[in-house]
Amino acid sequence: DVKVTQSSRYLVKRTGEKVFLECVQDMDHENMFWYRQDPGLGLRLIYFSYDVKMKEKGDIPEGYSVSREKKERFSLILESASTNQTSMYLCASSFRGHTNEQFFGPGTRLTVL
Amino acid sequence: SQQGEEDPQALSIQEGENATMNCSYKTSINNLQWYRQNSGRGLVHLILIRSNEREKHSGRLRVTLDTSKKSSSLLITASRAADTASYFCATPSPSNTGKLIFGQGTTLQVKP
Repeated sequence: DVKVTQSSRYLVKRTGEKVFLECVQDMDHENMFWYRQDPGLGLRLIYFSYDVKMKEKGDIPEGYSVSREKKERFSLILESASTNQTSMYLCASSFRGHTNEQFFGPGTRLTVL
Repeated sequence: SQQGEEDPQALSIQEGENATMNCSYKTSINNLQWYRQNSGRGLVHLILIRSNEREKHSGRLRVTLDTSKKSSSLLITASRAADTASYFCATPSPSNTGKLIFGQGTTLQVKP
C-alpha cells in the first residue's frame, strides 16, 4: 500500500514563526503536491514538485516556499507564519503522467495564533 | 481557477437510500476522478473514468461521464452511515503536468 505521511496532525504556532511541514511518500512517486483546504474554498494547490529539486508554483504560493532534496520528501515552509495561514494542509503524491491518481497524507491542521 | 463545480454542496439522506452527486467541468479532459474525504482526514481515490468511457462501476459506486455536457455523476447505492464524508471530483489540469483541479465537493450525511 502506498503511504504518504505528514510530520504532524496538529500544529500550533505563533505569528512570525518559521514553520516546517514535512511530507514523506514510500512509493517512488515523481510528483508531490502541497494543498491547503479551507471551508468554502475547496483544495487549493500551493506548490508542486515533479522531480528532485524541481518545483512549480501552484495557485496560492505567496507566503510559502518548498524544498525537495530527496525524491521521497517534500517540505512546505512558512517563512513567517501569519494568522491567515491557519488551515488544513494536505500533501499528496503521484506517478508522473496526467492520468495518475494522487495519494494523500492524513493532513496537518495548522493554527497560527 | 475552478475546473470542477459540484452539485449539491450538501446532501442528507437516510441509510439505504441512494445518493447522487454531480460534477461539471469546463475544458476538455481525458479522465475524471472521484475522491472521498472523511472529516479531518486526507482524500482517498475512489474511481477514475476515462473520456472514452460512459459508465464505470466499483462496488456500490457508479460513475457516469458525459463529455458532450462536460459533466459527471457519482451514485452511491444503498448508502450506509459509514459513507458519510465529502466527495470531490478532480480533472487534469489543462497544462498536462500531472496536476489535478478539484471541485469544491459535496458533503454527504447518511443518517442511520
